Amino acid sequence: SSELTQDPAVSVALGQTVRITCQGDSLRSYYASWYQQKPGQAPVLVIYGKNNRPSGIPDRFSGSSSGNTASLTITGAQAEDEADYYCNSRDSSGKVVFGGGTKLTVL
Amino acid sequence: QVQLQESGPGLVKPSETLSLTCAVSGYSISSGYYWGWIRQPPGKGLEWIGSIYHSGSTYYNPSLKSRVTISVDTSKNQFSLKLSSVTAADTAVYYCARHLTTVTTEWFDPWGQGTLVTVSS
Repeated sequence: SSELTQDPAVSVALGQTVRITCQGDSLRSYYASWYQQKPGQAPVLVIYGKNNRPSGIPDRFSGSSSGNTASLTITGAQAEDEADYYCNSRDSSGKVVFGGGTKLTVL
Repeated sequence: QVQLQESGPGLVKPSETLSLTCAVSGYSISSGYYWGWIRQPPGKGLEWIGSIYHSGSTYYNPSLKSRVTISVDTSKNQFSLKLSSVTAADTAVYYCARHLTTVTTEWFDPWGQGTLVTVSS
C-alpha cells in the first residue's frame, strides 16, 4: 500500500478549477512533486518543490501544501488536462514513495 | 536537452534476471545528479525501484532491495538495472529518469519513454 494517499478519481467541468490532493505523514516535512501521465505515455513532471513549474508547463498548474496534505490545483481545466496525476515524496526513512494516482476527467 | 532511453529484453522467464539499460544523452552522468528506475505494472500506479548517484552510491526500495542491483557506466553515459528471481508480479513498464533531490523535496525529470517487460515462460 502507498504511504501517500490520493483520491482514485476526480472530475471537473471544462474551464473550472480542480484540486487534486495527496495525503501522508511525510508531507509535514517534505514537499510533494506532481506528475501528469496520459495513456500510453511516460509521466511528465508538472510541479516540484514548494510550487515550481518546469519549463513548458502552463501556469494554470500550481502546487500548495498544508499539514499532511499536498495539493495540485488546475485553474481553468482544459480538455488536454485529462490524465492520471501522481504525487511523489519521500518517507521518514528516505524511501521514495508515490501516491496511488488520481484519474482526472474533464467534463 | 536531456533525454533518456531504456533498452533490454521485453520477455523474461520466471526465476531469471531482468536486465535493462538506460542511455542518457544531452547530459554527462558524471557531472552529477541521481539517476533512477521506476516501474508501473499494467493498469496500476508507479513504484520506485532505486536510484544511483553519478559516483556509484545507490539506494533502493526496501521491498525490492534483496533482488535489485543498479550500476552506472560513465564511459558509456548509461546506467543499468538488474532484478533477479523475477515472477509474474514483476511484469511492468520500466522507466528510467533523472532523480533530483534537495533537503525538502525530490522529483524525477525527465523520464524515458518506458519499456514493457513481461515475465512469462
